[in-house]
Amino acid sequence: ETGVTQTPRHLVMGMTNKKSLKCEQHLGHNAMYWYKQSAKKPLELMFVYSLEERVENNSVPSRFSPECPNSSHLFLHLHTLQPEDSALYLCASSQSGGELFFGEGSRLTVL
Amino acid sequence: AQSVTQLGSHVSVSEGALVLLRCNYSSSVPPYLFWYVQYPNQGLQLLLKYTSAATLVKGINGFEAEFKKSETSFHLTKPSAHMSDAAEYFCAVSLSGSARQLTFGSGTQLTVLP
Repeated sequence: ETGVTQTPRHLVMGMTNKKSLKCEQHLGHNAMYWYKQSAKKPLELMFVYSLEERVENNSVPSRFSPECPNSSHLFLHLHTLQPEDSALYLCASSQSGGELFFGEGSRLTVL
Repeated sequence: AQSVTQLGSHVSVSEGALVLLRCNYSSSVPPYLFWYVQYPNQGLQLLLKYTSAATLVKGINGFEAEFKKSETSFHLTKPSAHMSDAAEYFCAVSLSGSARQLTFGSGTQLTVLP
């Protein structure tokens, strides 16, 4: 495996479900990111983990919960989502805030 | 504060024609500027970046962009479009150069016609 890998690539869930998105980076980077990409909107930075410190966008609802157990793995836990949360969720990594390397994304549909 | 505006959410060009994708920025200090490309069903990939070393920046796949301070612009160009250039292109700005402070534009979908 190389680069940034995201699983699952597609996820359909109901509003009462609990699911998780997983991201793994094989680049030896020390920072990982979650972005939300909605149609016709700018990419929205949700969370950053850098050297085990978490930085978050205060506008992100609490129904999104990140977890970063080590520098190579990043999770996004999802619970009681709303239909407007349907989007492409992109994971990225970088070394010390440098160039971002993105995964292919997880396409989430909330019914 | 920083922001970017991409003029035109959709641009169509014929194969072999000039590609011009527009980006204007707003920044209180000289910014770092970036162009990313997203091919269908893929994540974003860095095309090029401006870091004040030279106003004309060359990137991958024959793309280049010119920083014009007087116009607060960083337009992306390619002399001759190829079918494989069809993708969505994002302009982004960062005051510090750090990825943690990147602000993205809304994107421009490029269609290349045969």
